[in-house]
Amino acid sequence: SAVISQKPSRDICQRGTSLTIQCQVDSQVTMMFWYRQQPGQSLTLIATANQGSEATYESGFVIDKFPISRPNLTFSTLTVSNLSPEDSSIYLCSVNIGADEQYFGPGTRLTVT
Amino acid sequence: GENVEQHPSTLSVQEGDSAVIKCTYSDSASNYFPWYKQELGKRPQLIIDIRSNVGEKKDQRIAVTLNKTAKHFSLHITETQPEDSAVYFCAASYNFNKFYFGSGTKLNVKP
Repeated sequence: SAVISQKPSRDICQRGTSLTIQCQVDSQVTMMFWYRQQPGQSLTLIATANQGSEATYESGFVIDKFPISRPNLTFSTLTVSNLSPEDSSIYLCSVNIGADEQYFGPGTRLTVT
Repeated sequence: GENVEQHPSTLSVQEGDSAVIKCTYSDSASNYFPWYKQELGKRPQLIIDIRSNVGEKKDQRIAVTLNKTAKHFSLHITETQPEDSAVYFCAASYNFNKFYFGSGTKLNVKP
């Protein structure tokens, strides 16, 4: 299993600013994933973050809007830039442990005013 | 990329009845199919999964079936209880790489 923490758990941000979300895992993992869950919706994969290389973004998501860092095997950050009300969502990181189930962090609830 | 469709979007059953949720996927390379339960305000939790080399898997009141030829898989919950009320998501993945989720089913079990 894996213990995943995210910071902050929630935040309220003004339009035009940015928010950086941190994800910490208690074991080393090769890949970390970032998802967005808009209110009442499903989970949408934003990008895959590998240590030592640039993140791979899904269609509809770009690095300028969602820059990702992966400085080591236990940590990653997702920044949501130039915030607009449409960015109000829950952002979750997740990891796979040993080709087993995918574990999710508790999520960061972002509200943009 | 993979496209996962899930039905129904809402499901209301009487306590003790069975519930069935169905998903289809588009990428024949997908080989891992988990089901997640998400309660309000909480993270998704894995409840059961199936790999492409297996046609059916059961864990107490929960079972999942997979038809690789038709590219669909289903979640079956028997003897439903009020605590089963939640949103359920199916997902598809190739080798535990990226996970693509269905749109979710809100299950309401009426006491």
